Amino acid sequence: DAKTTQPTSMDCAEGRAANLPCNHSTISGNEYVYWYRQIHSQGPQYIIHGLKNNETNEMASLIITEDRKSSTLILPHATLRDTAVYYCIAPEAGYSTLTFGKGTMLLVSP
Amino acid sequence: DAGVTQSPTHLIKTRGQHVTLRCSPISGHKSVSWYQQVLGQGPQFIFQYYEKEERGRGNFPDRFSARQFPNYSSELNVNALLLGDSALYLCASSAAPYTGELFFGEGSRLTVL
Repeated sequence: DAKTTQPTSMDCAEGRAANLPCNHSTISGNEYVYWYRQIHSQGPQYIIHGLKNNETNEMASLIITEDRKSSTLILPHATLRDTAVYYCIAPEAGYSTLTFGKGTMLLVSP
Repeated sequence: DAGVTQSPTHLIKTRGQHVTLRCSPISGHKSVSWYQQVLGQGPQFIFQYYEKEERGRGNFPDRFSARQFPNYSSELNVNALLLGDSALYLCASSAAPYTGELFFGEGSRLTVL
């Protein structure tokens, strides 16, 4: 897996956009970037993934830089329920083994 | 549709005992993976099974074993339990063995005394 680097923690005000960065400078051309989150005491939840193009779904948007060395997960209108640890993962192409780092603890406050 | 279901949700064992954890994948999913999450750390990969065959194994001792049944459900077995085996054991299923889009259950929390 490509090594990923994320900030340890971030704060966000409820209703504002949360922008979570991830560096993956060693990512290979065919390796996707996946984002998961884990709310306290629950199993991880898949959010979104992408290869080159920006992606959007009902949960979030994923912006990947042109050189693919970094990406940003955007929660457009954060709510208190978005408080969780967010993991950025770049698994080896063709494999579904996920290597979780420490992730970013996002705290959404009223 | 039901998500990934795991049982039991909580259990307490003593050192040296054996434990079996069970997982039912999402209907139609043929790949099952197991992860261990100790307190304060991210989940760590233990095994992946696809079509009843082991497809991957993480860096865990031979005390850990698993299998997948014809209905794609799976069991994780841990022998000779150590205090350090106390953790949340997570099962994840996916439609294919090569996708990073996994669906996790809520986990089985094991406490070893």
